[in-house]
Amino acid sequence: GAGVSQSPSNKVTEKGKDVELRCDPISGHTALYWYRQRLGQGLEFLIYFQGNSAPDKSGLPSDRFSAERTGESVSTLTIQRTQQEDSAVYLCASSFGTSGSWVGETQYFGPGTRLLVL
Amino acid sequence: AQRVTQPEKLLSVFKGAPVELKCNYSYSGSPELFWYVQYSRQRLQLLLRHISRESIKGFTADLNKGETSFHLKKPFAQEEDSAMYYCALSGHLGAGSYQLTFGKGTKLSVIP
Repeated sequence: GAGVSQSPSNKVTEKGKDVELRCDPISGHTALYWYRQRLGQGLEFLIYFQGNSAPDKSGLPSDRFSAERTGESVSTLTIQRTQQEDSAVYLCASSFGTSGSWVGETQYFGPGTRLLVL
Repeated sequence: AQRVTQPEKLLSVFKGAPVELKCNYSYSGSPELFWYVQYSRQRLQLLLRHISRESIKGFTADLNKGETSFHLKKPFAQEEDSAMYYCALSGHLGAGSYQLTFGKGTKLSVIP
């Protein structure tokens, strides 16, 4: 059906509060990725889920960041005790994941969630 | 470590002029390289990848391992090419783990 969807599209929060961002991947895509894009910066890889394998969390910037995925569907990215430097656009992408790795796979991106921490 | 450098934040060209968006990478192994594009008010999407050796919307990109470059080219720019372009590299981190590293992007503006 539709492409990758993310909610909310915009989120304004106060420093110190927790936020939860949601991603619905394309149906049938087993691989799911989270990225962060700060103003004027490139996309920064955060975390990667592939099927039932342990996620690759190598890009998470601190232990305040965590992500979960329910089977091969919805994923939530949680940021605890938000800081102003967490302000960014958070992008989710998914891919078929058929190769078992994501080398060479086309990633389909969602519209992003714009997070502003005051 | 893997790194992608796009030296130009903004590139302005006249309609009909040739376009070259530069991308250089740093990676010790054999890389997979991509160009992603984001048009105004649209989501980021794949434009092309080097393993396909394809031409999309008139754009081509050749991987030059000697110069560690993957520049995006189009002989005649069109107004609809105005967008943000990101070069990306997929590299092996070891133990079956890969990472997609993006450059900071180049905003292409095609002047009518």
